[in-house]
Amino acid sequence: GAVVSQHPSWVICKSGTSVKIECRSLDFQATTMFWYRQFPKQSLMLMATSNEGSKATYEQGVEKDKFLINHASLTLSTLTVTSAHPEDSSFYICSAPEAYGVVTEAFFGQGTRLTVV
Amino acid sequence: GENVEQHPSTLSVQEGDSAVIKCTYSDSASNYFPWYKQELGKRPQLIIDIRSNVGEKKDQRIAVTLNKTAKHFSLHITETQPEDSAVYFCAANPSYIPTFGRGTSLIVHP
Repeated sequence: GAVVSQHPSWVICKSGTSVKIECRSLDFQATTMFWYRQFPKQSLMLMATSNEGSKATYEQGVEKDKFLINHASLTLSTLTVTSAHPEDSSFYICSAPEAYGVVTEAFFGQGTRLTVV
Repeated sequence: GENVEQHPSTLSVQEGDSAVIKCTYSDSASNYFPWYKQELGKRPQLIIDIRSNVGEKKDQRIAVTLNKTAKHFSLHITETQPEDSAVYFCAANPSYIPTFGRGTSLIVHP
């Protein structure tokens, strides 16, 4: 299957600083990528849909100025958590869909454990 | 939009027993139903999937059934092993954006 690489796998930052997370599709082009947030023992919560060459689509309740998304190429999307606070600590996962005939399968990055201190 | 309900939230079984996880969906346009296994701190991994034109699919100890009329699908794991312990997510795809269930934490006791 397709491979999606996410970096870093973990990061610790101080309150008030910004953190950038990268999501790359290694062997296919992804015009769309998804960013999820996952709290402990909970499901994947879709934060936003990243669209290559255009603005991201944010889910209701997600602050677009807080979580900046850039999808500058067909293989790279970045999520920047700006002015991070302890409540932003979470597991962030990206995914990219690839179509196989009539179905579209989601491939996930490794995830990034963000801890804000 | 699509709404996926998943039950139970926690399932505890003895090694060798079977485990069943059930999901319901709301959008009749959904045509693809993947199941993911997620170990702690790792990415979700696709373990099995089923398309809407098939009622059942099996892969060794794992099987999935789909009832389109009732809009529900289930994951069946037979002869469970401790390494099956993980969180399992179902999903329904009415488009290219999957909607995930809330997850089931499966614990297999040796």
